[in-house]
Amino acid sequence: NAGVTQTPKFQVLKTGQSMTLQCAQDMNHEYMSWYRQDPGMGLRLIHYSVGAGITDQGEVPNGYNVSRSTTEDFPLRLLSAAPSQTSVYFCASSYSEAPGYGYTFGSGTRLTVV
Amino acid sequence: QQPVQSPQAVILREGEDAVINCSSSKALYSVHWYRQKHGEAPVFLMILLKGGEQKGHEKISASFNEKKQQSSLYLTASQLSYSGTYFCGTAEGPQGGSEKLVFGKGTKLTVNP
Repeated sequence: NAGVTQTPKFQVLKTGQSMTLQCAQDMNHEYMSWYRQDPGMGLRLIHYSVGAGITDQGEVPNGYNVSRSTTEDFPLRLLSAAPSQTSVYFCASSYSEAPGYGYTFGSGTRLTVV
Repeated sequence: QQPVQSPQAVILREGEDAVINCSSSKALYSVHWYRQKHGEAPVFLMILLKGGEQKGHEKISASFNEKKQQSSLYLTASQLSYSGTYFCGTAEGPQGGSEKLVFGKGTKLTVNP
């Protein structure tokens, strides 16, 4: 039981490049979310999903795309990276049918855009 | 809309108590509390559902006043291991659950010997 796995752990991109941050969970969680963390800004919600095939925007969705073709995977795509997207990205997941259950976070991806 | 946390930072000596507050302008389904240590991922502490319940976890407890859309985290007899940044997350539950969890900016807690 690996929990929530994020890859890569570190990435440096040039402005304009595209990439996909991977997130996979093996706990059969229906809810999955992507957050970015910047100093002094807390955790800001980018996109979230309530199950395979269903996604929705969070607080800061611009510049990011997501899809959820399986329960396990929830990749985050940066279409054209910008320096403003330099951040630490966390993926998190949770059960939908357990009201007392919290989110489990991955270890994060530290992304630098130059 | 992000919930508002206060204070932004707290410095304690071991054994002292602290209260961290979280408020929202929207009606809430639930309030989550997480702790994040430097360089690590946030870790779930507890969740409070609407109904005004209070929960506890070791010497850390919390309350939720759904009418005021406010929650408070209570840390009693603090230990060095309590140091970290505490985040509250609020869920409006458009589908009736915690599917859209929005976090505050965090409260940095430092416990000194």
